[in-house]
Amino acid sequence: AQKITQTQPGMFVQEKEAVTLDCTYDTSDPSYGLFWYKQPSSGEMIFLIYQGSYDQQNATEGRYSLNFQKARKSANLVISASQLGDSAMYFCAMREKNNNDMRFGAGTRLTVKP
Amino acid sequence: AAGVIQSPRHLIKEKRETATLKCYPIPRHDTVYWYQQGPGQDPQFLISFYEKMQSDKGSIPDRFSAQQFSDYHSELNMSSLELGDSALYFCASSPRGRLAEAFFGQGTRLTVV
Repeated sequence: AQKITQTQPGMFVQEKEAVTLDCTYDTSDPSYGLFWYKQPSSGEMIFLIYQGSYDQQNATEGRYSLNFQKARKSANLVISASQLGDSAMYFCAMREKNNNDMRFGAGTRLTVKP
Repeated sequence: AAGVIQSPRHLIKEKRETATLKCYPIPRHDTVYWYQQGPGQDPQFLISFYEKMQSDKGSIPDRFSAQQFSDYHSELNMSSLELGDSALYFCASSPRGRLAEAFFGQGTRLTVV
């Protein structure tokens, strides 16, 4: 069964605006971590932000914030003040503590328009 | 700070040849993951190791094998290469029990011709 679902294959946003990339997940492990990675055309996988299942507050890292809704099992990434350099693929991933694996969603291709 | 090192960065092989990809995790990281990312695809989990033992197995073909050595580096061995094996192969490392830390290497781009 798919553990991570990203329903938006592609998203467009105007430069300087905010954008939300959706991610839902499925797990029975009470302890897990959620990650967002950015993959530019160069191919490297760049870590953006992390949210632990027991974290009380939503994670923030500069222009990135994670809208964590545990009961709904969603972990949406919000990018504020989009920049042209934000154009890339974005992957949501989950790591479960008990089985130690880490799985990815299908990704969302974000295009920032000038 | 030290990052995950993968070598080589690029590799070109012919069909039916073998290839070995190497991954050097961040110091004190005892868990290594391998992923395969085909063109336009999301990373597919292949296999993981914890403390030199295989801990989880994903969609790894029987033609592939991997191991983790005493210094925690890992090697992915690929035999009888096929055109469909052309992909970006990522390695990630993390310390087990510390969920927040999972970092990727820059990947090895394998092209099978």
